[in-house]
Amino acid sequence: EAGVAQSPRYKIIEKRQSVAFWCNPISGHATLYWYQQILGQGPKLLIQFQNNGVVDDSQLPKDRFSAERLKGVDSTLKIQPAKLEDSAVYLCASSFTPPAVLAGERGELFFGEGSRLTVL
Amino acid sequence: AQTVTQSQPEMSVQEAETVTLSCTYDTSESDYYLFWYKQPPSRQMILVIRQEAYKQQNATENRFSVNFQKAAKSFSLKISDSQLGDAAMYFCAYSGGGADGLTFGKGTHLIIQP
Repeated sequence: EAGVAQSPRYKIIEKRQSVAFWCNPISGHATLYWYQQILGQGPKLLIQFQNNGVVDDSQLPKDRFSAERLKGVDSTLKIQPAKLEDSAVYLCASSFTPPAVLAGERGELFFGEGSRLTVL
Repeated sequence: AQTVTQSQPEMSVQEAETVTLSCTYDTSESDYYLFWYKQPPSRQMILVIRQEAYKQQNATENRFSVNFQKAAKSFSLKISDSQLGDAAMYFCAYSGGGADGLTFGKGTHLIIQP
């Protein structure tokens, strides 16, 4: 079974430029997450999609970050304009949402290898 | 808001020995889930073990087990018979409420000495 695919793996840009990351989740996974992992810290949830709808984007800096998941499959995360503090690894994860989730079960999250962003 | 604290930035253990990684969390919810994820240098996070808060029995997965103390809000990971492949960053994570999104701790870097 193919895992979560992300691209590009590495990106270097100047501040104030824009960048986009792409994620293709595991086939059949309805829930998709974008996390930001700054060096030395744990991942921080930016946005969570259920199919093509947003479940949680409370920690997404909406003045510069945007994300979409058209058709409920792959997703893109965009940063425009980038700041120095945006340097981080951007992790995409997906989970299968079985009927049991309605009863409070929490499915396992499967992560991609991440996209490392360096802002100069 | 929920918080997850890992107080050990780095731990070192001899191969074949046992090591325990600590995690505490803060929440006002009664129903939630706790996880330990492993992140090797390649950066792909993988699930090690999961614990449902409503279950009193501690979860076990082969050499990995947890000590879940709900009243103390503590969730430690024990790795028995440590192997070189266990070397990685280990993250404790919490999931509760209506969303599946995880709240992570800052991680513990585990070093295995041959």
